[in-house]
Amino acid sequence: QQQVKQSPQSLIVQKGGISIINCAYENTAFDYFPWYQQFPGKGPALLIAIRPDVSEKKEGRFTISFNKSAKQFSLHIMDSQPGDSATYFCAASKPQGAQKLVFGQGTRLTINP
Amino acid sequence: GAGVSQSPSNKVTEKGKDVELRCDPISGHTALYWYRQSLGQGLEFLIYFQGNSAPDKSGLPSDRFSAERTGGSVSTLTIQRTQQEDSAVYLCASAEMGINSPLHFGNGTRLTVT
Repeated sequence: QQQVKQSPQSLIVQKGGISIINCAYENTAFDYFPWYQQFPGKGPALLIAIRPDVSEKKEGRFTISFNKSAKQFSLHIMDSQPGDSATYFCAASKPQGAQKLVFGQGTRLTINP
Repeated sequence: GAGVSQSPSNKVTEKGKDVELRCDPISGHTALYWYRQSLGQGLEFLIYFQGNSAPDKSGLPSDRFSAERTGGSVSTLTIQRTQQEDSAVYLCASAEMGINSPLHFGNGTRLTVT
């Protein structure tokens, strides 16, 4: 049973454009929602994370928007750059500290120069 | 500083053989996780170690999979009698204590079972 659904599977954006990746979750017990960025041959690296007590979090060009009632959250990359080309994973975990993250299927983002 | 180190980076084995995958976490990190990343799939949680507590093995897919963490540091993931469906990238991550501590992933071991 897939608890976090991510879309689209792949995305092509022109340099300078806005990249948007969406995730939906089922388990209302989730309270931590990180996004990870993964380059080929490397492990995922934490990009930005949000908890459900806020609706938006921004770090530089990266913004998470969170809609608790819809059980959805999204990653927006402003002014997308070729260096942003990577696979992005959303994830979610429950309280109690242990980050037994449930990951989405991933989105392969390509930024065309 | 040094990140999470995993070895080997690649492993090719024959079906039915046992394999051991090693993870050296970041020094001082008390939490250690193993995840599996199959082709075209997201990351799947396998097992979690926190300090001296009993590990959370709830994600291990079968009893052919086991893991240990010696001295609160290095961890080894063992897969016995490997099957072709075990082919995947096995990722190790470590974290400091605390619910807001991010996971730091290694670059993984790519396992291919022929």
